[in-house]
Amino acid sequence: EDQVTQSPEALRLQEGESSSLNCSYTVSGLRGLFWYRQDPGKGPEFLFTLYSAGEEKEKERLKATLTKKESFLHITAPKPEDSATYLCAVFSGGYNKLIFGAGTRLAVHP
Amino acid sequence: SQTIHQWPATLVQPVGSPLSLECTVEGTSNPNLYWYRQAAGRGLQLLFYSVGIGQISSEVPQNLSASRPQDRQFILSSKKLLLSDSGFYLCAWNPLAGDTGELFFGEGSRLTVL
Repeated sequence: EDQVTQSPEALRLQEGESSSLNCSYTVSGLRGLFWYRQDPGKGPEFLFTLYSAGEEKEKERLKATLTKKESFLHITAPKPEDSATYLCAVFSGGYNKLIFGAGTRLAVHP
Repeated sequence: SQTIHQWPATLVQPVGSPLSLECTVEGTSNPNLYWYRQAAGRGLQLLFYSVGIGQISSEVPQNLSASRPQDRQFILSSKKLLLSDSGFYLCAWNPLAGDTGELFFGEGSRLTVL
């Protein structure tokens, strides 16, 4: 069964303290891994798509990387406004079925 | 530009009562439409998706149903709510080609069943 597992569940950082979030996946034939950001009480917002091992994508303080078994979302020198839940997702069984991990709740304190 | 609207934003319903959540998309044609549910501390669970008017695929057996009466309208319904139906319901869309993994989500509808 296709599965997405994210760790840690929650992460607390001081402003400027870099760290990484993990997304491990088990899927038959990866057709893309996707990162989303979700603010409290809001719908998720798309961040990145990664298609193949070794690929990297960057956006401001965020960098996503992909291996054959997992993806990392690296946060460099985070700011309080980076506080959110970060979700990863993969296609499962077809392009109309995107399955999500439970997310990592990131809190960045000044 | 494309926009997606969901309503109501918040709903408190007694067990056994009916439910209707609505979602409309503007600024695009023939979108794929999705209903997800997010329980507290859990990931998003895909409930239904639709690739066209009247075409509904159900991912999880439950007492919920979905309908797509118009191209850009998606409705989530229940005849009798259960306590376990409480959660944050999210509607989403992507273009019909749909292979980018980029979904556009609405603001969500928070349902509490008492």
